[in-house]
Amino acid sequence: GENVEQHPSTLSVQEGDSAVIKCTYSDSASNYFPWYKQELGKRPQLIIDIRSNVGEKKDQRIAVTLNKTAKHFSLHITETQPEDSAVYFCAADQNTGNQFYFGTGTSLTVIP
Amino acid sequence: KAGVTQTPRYLIKTRGQQVTLSCSPISGHRSVSWYQQTPGQGLQFLFEYFSETQRNKGNFPGRFSGRQFSNSRSEMNVSTLELGDSALYLCASSLMTSGDSEQFFGPGTRLTVL
Repeated sequence: GENVEQHPSTLSVQEGDSAVIKCTYSDSASNYFPWYKQELGKRPQLIIDIRSNVGEKKDQRIAVTLNKTAKHFSLHITETQPEDSAVYFCAADQNTGNQFYFGTGTSLTVIP
Repeated sequence: KAGVTQTPRYLIKTRGQQVTLSCSPISGHRSVSWYQQTPGQGLQFLFEYFSETQRNKGNFPGRFSGRQFSNSRSEMNVSTLELGDSALYLCASSLMTSGDSEQFFGPGTRLTVL
């Protein structure tokens, strides 16, 4: 089955700096890559996603890049703010049904 | 639209007991997936139901089972509970059936096994 690895597990940045979280996947059949943000005690919520026919996608301060050849994708958050502090999960899906393979999460702390 | 709801929110059980968790998807969503979230393992896929049929299953023992009703509500059952089953159980619903679309998560059921 699919295996998704996520790095780093923890990340601290100063407010206003950029944060980058990287994920790799093992199965070339995966074609949908969502990123979820989970604040403490809350449910995961989708912040951005990308499909395998696209190399990059942006939404305001958030961007995701995908390299299908290397089987890795990354989340970029620019101009970080304290409210960006949360755990971020990447995931991969193989279009065989709603079965996400998640990375183990990155705990992001933005220091004011 | 109301979001995904899960009941109960908290459960405390002892080893050997069984437990049933419930999930109500967003109205119109027919796909429901279940995940186990633990600090060390992150979110791990349990199974997915669509139109009352299990379409996908993760690598969990047979003690974990589920079902879906005609109104798309889903339940999962864990029999013969073990200490390691303590976790947050999340369900997620999706409008699309193809798998390449957003899943909306419920608040989760926190299960503690003593």
